[in-house]
Amino acid sequence: EVQLVESGGGLVQTGGSLRLSCAASGFTFSSYCMHWVRQAPGKGLVWVSRINSDGSNTNYADSVKGRFTISRDDAKNTLYLQMNSLRAEDTAVYFCARAAAPGTHWFDPWGQGTLVTVSS
Amino acid sequence: EILLTQSPATLSLSPGERATLSCRASQSISTYLAWYQQKPGQAPRLLIYDASNRATGIPARFSSSGSGTDFTLTISSLEPEDFAVYYCQQRSNWPLTFGGGTNVEIK
Repeated sequence: EVQLVESGGGLVQTGGSLRLSCAASGFTFSSYCMHWVRQAPGKGLVWVSRINSDGSNTNYADSVKGRFTISRDDAKNTLYLQMNSLRAEDTAVYFCARAAAPGTHWFDPWGQGTLVTVSS
Repeated sequence: EILLTQSPATLSLSPGERATLSCRASQSISTYLAWYQQKPGQAPRLLIYDASNRATGIPARFSSSGSGTDFTLTISSLEPEDFAVYYCQQRSNWPLTFGGGTNVEIK
């Protein structure tokens, strides 16, 4: 069974840092592009970042560029999101998602999400 | 950035009725559009990709059409489990973007 499990969320102060992890299982992790998508409380979905299958190429939403870094460890089948200089507007549930198929940018499946709360 | 506008924001229908949801892109995205369903407290689920292809395990009552800037998701006969929020998403250009969602609620 394909599974994604996020961890690392929590309460952090404004300006602080947090690293999210997404443990993957049930598929060949190294073959797939991976994404982070977030959802503020009661709001819609917002794409955050993407890393290609070999880790050589990344993309970011303008709102997080320069503050967040996506990375992967294929030996551990794990995706990461390092979040620095956190702001109140970064408060959200963060989902990791796999590309539905190699070379596509549809999200399937998704993890259950991890909540990040940024507060002063 | 490509803006996706979904309408209506809320659709109030009864089980068995037909639901028609719209997604309009600010510029042409060919058929690079997907639809997702999200229920409260759950992660989204991929329903449709490339504008008209159902994802694995998605019932035939879900269908979608469109190309360019105008897209439609149709649920032919609403089942109780279909009441949820639906999002469209484009992959034509970076950044990837989602529409604001349509909440299909029980009337």
